[in-house]
Amino acid sequence: AQSVTQPDIHITVSEGASLELRCNYSYGATPYLFWYVQSPGQGLQLLLKYFSGDTLVQGIKGFEAEFKRSQSSFNLRKPSVHWSDAAEYFCAVGSGTYKYIFGTGTRLKVLA
Amino acid sequence: NAGVTQTPKFQVLKTGQSMTLQCAQDMNHNSMYWYRQDPGMGLRLIYYSASEGTTDKGEVPNGYNVSRLNKREFSLRLESAAPSQTSVYFCASRDPGGNTEAFFGQGTRLTVV
Repeated sequence: AQSVTQPDIHITVSEGASLELRCNYSYGATPYLFWYVQSPGQGLQLLLKYFSGDTLVQGIKGFEAEFKRSQSSFNLRKPSVHWSDAAEYFCAVGSGTYKYIFGTGTRLKVLA
Repeated sequence: NAGVTQTPKFQVLKTGQSMTLQCAQDMNHNSMYWYRQDPGMGLRLIYYSASEGTTDKGEVPNGYNVSRLNKREFSLRLESAAPSQTSVYFCASRDPGGNTEAFFGQGTRLTVV
């Protein structure tokens, strides 16, 4: 069965430090992978997506993610975190034509 | 562009009451979705509508009904609300295809007492 795992429920980093949020997926075919961000009290906004081609994808707000088929991973990275990046981050896989499967999310806290 | 609009934003219900959550999108998307978000559980799919005139169950459909009124609108109904349905509900829309992104509404925070 398809699934998405985000092993870290909470992550705390200092402003200016680098960030990596982990995402592992289980999917039989070539996956379509997404990262979304949810600011407090808001809906979800797409950060970036991967479905083919270059395995390193660039997104908005300075985020990037790398698809590693051998590790079934799609980790999100940012070289230098800003206080405004504090939010909850969701990894998702496009399953078939209509369904999305979401991970349980990672809540990021940024220390000044 | 409004995108995906949900109403209401907040609601408090008593156990056993009914209500309908409304969702409308102006992006001409074929597919629409209802999710619920609970702490530590991410987003779970309640129902989805692949296209106008069709609806299908997701992971957690019990206690809910949906109506795809037209291409723009997809409503979620709680016939007899229970405290376990206290949650934040999100509507989303997208075009079909595994690689298309979903667009989300701002959410409805529902409390059942």
